[in-house]
Amino acid sequence: DTGVSQDPRHKITKRGQNVTFRCDPISEHNRLYWYRQTLGQGPEFLTYFQNEAQLEKSRLLSDRFSAERPKGSFSTLEIQRTEQGDSAMYLCASSTGTEHLYGYTFGSGTRLTVV
Amino acid sequence: AQSVSQHNHHVILSEAASLELGCNYSYGGTVNLFWYVQYPGQHLQLLLKYFSGDPLVKGIKGFEAEFIKSKFSFNLRKPSVQWSDTAEYFCALRNQAGTALIFGKGTTLSVSS
Repeated sequence: DTGVSQDPRHKITKRGQNVTFRCDPISEHNRLYWYRQTLGQGPEFLTYFQNEAQLEKSRLLSDRFSAERPKGSFSTLEIQRTEQGDSAMYLCASSTGTEHLYGYTFGSGTRLTVV
Repeated sequence: AQSVSQHNHHVILSEAASLELGCNYSYGGTVNLFWYVQYPGQHLQLLLKYFSGDPLVKGIKGFEAEFIKSKFSFNLRKPSVQWSDTAEYFCALRNQAGTALIFGKGTTLSVSS
């Protein structure tokens, strides 16, 4: 297994367009997380899935954001009607519930630029 | 509310110098703490973590951190840095529900050879 994969690596979109990102976690990881990281800041939590269930959403996840994990494997994060303030790195992480042993594994992220 | 603060925004050291990066957290309950490193162009990688037990935690690449409950601190240390340690370092606290990490703003470490 090669870790957490995210696609695309970079996305440039015009304001008002919709974008969708994909995350493929480590195959045996049942927990999946999305974070957003802006310049000069640490990652900020967006949402958490355990298997296919979305169990927690941050206040940062406005109505324009939606995340799914339909079969408990890969996940998608969609942003509708993008705004310039959405420009950020979107990170995906996964874990098995044994964070005390292995921590969380992060992907390389999708960098979104809204022009 | 739980929070993490990292005092140093940018640290510049020469090779072989000792390193200490500060991390303070705000939470009165049982804490789980992490240090992650992000090398240029790479993903976040786990350096070390503290869940319980010995407050002096040893991680990869010669890093260690000390959990001091009375000071709400989890500082990262390395006795002798190398040019390859140039990276951004993040301290993180697992939230109360155990469903997310709360990150500090990060410290950029630049090591000159």
